[in-house]
Amino acid sequence: DQQVKQNSPSLSVQEGRISILNCDYTNSMFDYFLWYKKYPAEGPTFLISISSIKDKNEDGRFTVFLNKSAKHLSLHIVPSQPGDSAVYFCAASAWDNDMRFGAGTRLTVKP
Amino acid sequence: EAGVVQSPRYKIIEKKQPVAFWCNPISGHNTLYWYLQNLGQGPELLIRYENEEAVDDSQLPKDRFSAERLKGVDSTLKIQPAELGDSAVYLCASSLNNGQGANTGELFFGEGSRLTVL
Repeated sequence: DQQVKQNSPSLSVQEGRISILNCDYTNSMFDYFLWYKKYPAEGPTFLISISSIKDKNEDGRFTVFLNKSAKHLSLHIVPSQPGDSAVYFCAASAWDNDMRFGAGTRLTVKP
Repeated sequence: EAGVVQSPRYKIIEKKQPVAFWCNPISGHNTLYWYLQNLGQGPELLIRYENEEAVDDSQLPKDRFSAERLKGVDSTLKIQPAELGDSAVYLCASSLNNGQGANTGELFFGEGSRLTVL
């Protein structure tokens, strides 16, 4: 039962351009959403989050958008940098549930 | 401040052998998680502790997996006996729960313990 889905296993963009990573969820009880970034041989690290009462949260080059009616969120990185190359996991949680993760999207930013 | 510490980083064992993983969470974090991550997939929750109490172990295969968090700090995850399909990365994470049920803040992950069962 995959409640959080990242349908694109990989994404490649040119340095300086925008990266858009997408995530869909099925559980309408989710009210908190996060993005984690993972480098090889390391654990995931928190990147940015958004509460269900908002539709946008911005932190520097990273912006997360939430569309509750579509049960969809996206992470925008602009401008993309080679150091952004990593696997990005979308995660969601509800007040009475634990955090669920998507399968991840591998982002490659080419110089 | 030290992050979440896990050991061993890598472990190779033969099937049917036991294995144990250890996790030291960030000081003061009352919630501790064990996640399983298979290749190409996201982390999947095995067990969550609030202090020393296991509040969600529904995904833990209890016939061969066990976990404990004595004194509400360090935790161990054990597999006995290990099977080929247990080869994966076992991630430990911790967080500071706000006391309102499941965590709504970020999780801090360790580097993981990669298990290979031959």
